[in-house]
Amino acid sequence: AQSVTQLDSQVPVFEEAPVELRCNYSSSVSVYLFWYVQYPNQGLQLLLKYLSGSTLVKGINGFEAEFNKSQTSFHLRKPSVHISDTAEYFCAVRGSQGNLIFGKGTKLSVKP
Amino acid sequence: NAGVTQTPKFQVLKTGQSMTLQCAQDMNHEYMSWYRQDPGMGLRLIHYSVGAGITDQGEVPNGYNVSRSTTEDFPLRLLSAAPSQTSVYFCASSYRVGSEKLFFGSGTQLSVL
Repeated sequence: AQSVTQLDSQVPVFEEAPVELRCNYSSSVSVYLFWYVQYPNQGLQLLLKYLSGSTLVKGINGFEAEFNKSQTSFHLRKPSVHISDTAEYFCAVRGSQGNLIFGKGTKLSVKP
Repeated sequence: NAGVTQTPKFQVLKTGQSMTLQCAQDMNHEYMSWYRQDPGMGLRLIHYSVGAGITDQGEVPNGYNVSRSTTEDFPLRLLSAAPSQTSVYFCASSYRVGSEKLFFGSGTQLSVL
């Protein structure tokens, strides 16, 4: 069965600092991985996705993630965060029936 | 395009009451789904549909019913509300099951007293 584990429930950082949000996955089929972002009182939006090809994936708002098959990880990174990046971030893997299976989320709090 | 529209945005129910959460999309998407979001639990799939007339259960289907009579609409029915169903509910759709991108509605916050 497919699953994802987000290793940190909360990540506080200062503005302009780098950040890494960690995600490990488990999958017995072809791996398709996603990061979604949820701003307060909104639905989720796709940030980036890995389907195949280059292991370094670039998304919107300066975020990127690296697919690491040997470590079964898909960590999300940004070199310099802004106050506006404060949100909850969800890692997801496509399940065997095509549905997305989400992690429990990581709340990123960017402080001035 | 309105995208995915959910109504109502907020609802308070008493235990035992029934209600329907509405979801509509205008993107001609085949795939529609319902998730519930609880603190520290992430999003859990309740039911999904891969086309009109076809529905299936997700991870947490008990206490909920769905139907898909048209491509556009995918209502979620709570048969007899329980406090454990207090949650934020999201409807999401995509072109087809397994598509690269899910489009989410803005959510329905439900409290069951």
